Amino acid sequence: EDQVTQSPEALRLQEGESSSLNCSYTVSGLRGLFWYRQDPGKGPEFLFTLYSAGEEKEKERLKATLTKKESFLHITAPKPEDSATYLCASSGGYQKVTFGTGTKLQVIP
Amino acid sequence: EAQVTQNPRYLITVTGKKLTVTCSQNMNHEYMSWYRQDPGLGLRQIYYSMNVEVTDKGDVPEGYKVSRKEKRNFPLILESPSPNQTSLYFCASSDRGGQARSPLHFGNGTRLTVT
Repeated sequence: EDQVTQSPEALRLQEGESSSLNCSYTVSGLRGLFWYRQDPGKGPEFLFTLYSAGEEKEKERLKATLTKKESFLHITAPKPEDSATYLCASSGGYQKVTFGTGTKLQVIP
Repeated sequence: EAQVTQNPRYLITVTGKKLTVTCSQNMNHEYMSWYRQDPGLGLRQIYYSMNVEVTDKGDVPEGYKVSRKEKRNFPLILESPSPNQTSLYFCASSDRGGQARSPLHFGNGTRLTVT
């Protein structure tokens, strides 16, 4: 059975304090690893897709990386507007996507 | 603007009273799906559709029905809602190739309370 585990569940950072969110996955035949951002009262918003180990993608203060077992979302010098819940999802065979339960990030000014 | 639109945003109903949550997308996506989101459980797939007239069960289909008569619309039907279906529901769509390699575009959610 495919599994996605995110850690930590919650993270509180001071503005400018860099950190990383972890996503461990177990999936047969990974076709893609996705990161989404979810703000309160809204649907998840797509950030990145990673397809193979070693791949990296960046967008502003966010950088996503992928290994054969984990993905990391690195946040460099975060700002309060980066506060949100970050979701990781893996896609395997049979059009199956499995979501993690998310990391709730709070960035304090 | 490309978007997935769900209605209503909030819904309070009583046990056993049939309801429909509508979902429409304007991106000409073939793939559409319904999820429910519960604290500590994350997003779980209820049903999905690869194209018009093609639907299949996700992880938690019990108590739900769907139909896909048109490409843009994918309504979720609860014929006899029960309190354990109280949740936050999301509709999502994806372009050709389905969700396996393409990202999902989500609606803003429907918060359902069944008393």
